[in-house]
Amino acid sequence: EAGVAQSPRYKIIEKRQSVAFWCNPISGHATLYWYQQILGQGPKLLIQFQNNGVVDDSQLPKDRFSAERLKGVDSTLKIQPAKLEDSAVYLCASSEGGGAFYTFGSGTRLTVV
Amino acid sequence: DAKTTQPTSMDCAEGRAANLPCNHSTISGNEYVYWYRQIHSQGPQYIIHGLKNNETNEMASLIITEDRKSSTLILPHATLRDTAVYYCIVRDSWGKLQFGAGTQVVVTP
Repeated sequence: EAGVAQSPRYKIIEKRQSVAFWCNPISGHATLYWYQQILGQGPKLLIQFQNNGVVDDSQLPKDRFSAERLKGVDSTLKIQPAKLEDSAVYLCASSEGGGAFYTFGSGTRLTVV
Repeated sequence: DAKTTQPTSMDCAEGRAANLPCNHSTISGNEYVYWYRQIHSQGPQYIIHGLKNNETNEMASLIITEDRKSSTLILPHATLRDTAVYYCIVRDSWGKLQFGAGTQVVVTP
């Protein structure tokens, strides 16, 4: 079975620019998660989707971050404008229903300079 | 959500068993213990989970104390490829996975 696909793998932008990340979950997985992982820390949940609806976005900095999953399959996470502290790896994960057997992608490493 | 406490790091000799402790003293009756690991430059990978009983799969064994306030992940024969950050997570039946800092395990030849 194909894994969770994420792109790009790396991205370097200047502060105040915008950036978008893409995620394609495992086929049939209804639940999709975006995590932010700052160097040396564990992943922090940003947002959870169930099909195309948002279940939890309580830790998403909504003044600059947005995410969508329009057709209930792939998803995009956007940052606009980026700050230096947004430098991190952005991980996408998916699971069947709301189960805790998450499959993670390899992530997108963002560097804001 | 119950919080977990893990050592920051530990070393293990290749071929020996690695015993990774985790304290979760505030765990409640319906909360599961999950273990994930993260190899450098990869996303976290599921290892094992349990509620009350000890569990074993092809990757590891999970020993949960009778009072459920702590658990130990056992990698029976550590290899160099087991070098990773190991996360112990307590999750209720409706909750999401909230990761802490984990334990950096280094397996040495």
